[in-house]
Amino acid sequence: RKEVEQDPGPFNVPEGATVAFNCTYSNSASQSFFWYRQDCRKEPKLLMSVYSSGNEDGRFTAQLNRASQYISLLIRDSKLSDSATYLCVVNFYTGTASKLTFGTGTRLQVTL
Amino acid sequence: NAGVTQTPKFQVLKTGQSMTLQCAQDMNHEYMSWYRQDPGMGLRLIHYSVGAGITDQGEVPNGYNVSRSTTEDFPLRLLSAAPSQTSVYFCASSIPGTGGYTFGSGTRLTVV
Repeated sequence: RKEVEQDPGPFNVPEGATVAFNCTYSNSASQSFFWYRQDCRKEPKLLMSVYSSGNEDGRFTAQLNRASQYISLLIRDSKLSDSATYLCVVNFYTGTASKLTFGTGTRLQVTL
Repeated sequence: NAGVTQTPKFQVLKTGQSMTLQCAQDMNHEYMSWYRQDPGMGLRLIHYSVGAGITDQGEVPNGYNVSRSTTEDFPLRLLSAAPSQTSVYFCASSIPGTGGYTFGSGTRLTVV
């Protein structure tokens, strides 16, 4: 079983739609969680951290369910510019180093 | 503010050749790491460093060496290139204990 699992997609949605991605992780001792965005042939960039209470950044909402070891990302009012691959990332800090584990990503294609 | 700078952007090597991928950051980050990204595999950690003079192996270290003589630089050396090392390589840096990584723009390496 992969440490971080995501549906690879692609998710094809029209502009203005709401879309949600899910991610599950296997290490129950994981301490922090993130969503990164990666455009085609570019480097990953931090989109947002994921907090236990849930958090929102504009059109983006992230949720964490520690009991189910599950993270989600909701994008409202999708824009063409949201088309990208979204990487779920789980962090385990050993005390001296962070061990980031990346999911393989979910591809989103927003269309007119 | 340059962030994380990787060179070269593209490289073609013959099997058995060696080379060094360069990575430099100007954010005074203690933590630096090298990842490779292959289709369907996600990003996998090769080596990481928690500070100058300290390096450790990640998930897929075989065939690669690193050193960290300064806070700014973290070069990755391929000792004897193999076709299996064809990949996109990303260098990243962060403040220890956080998951907010800054990635370089990547090096696309092909080994023939």
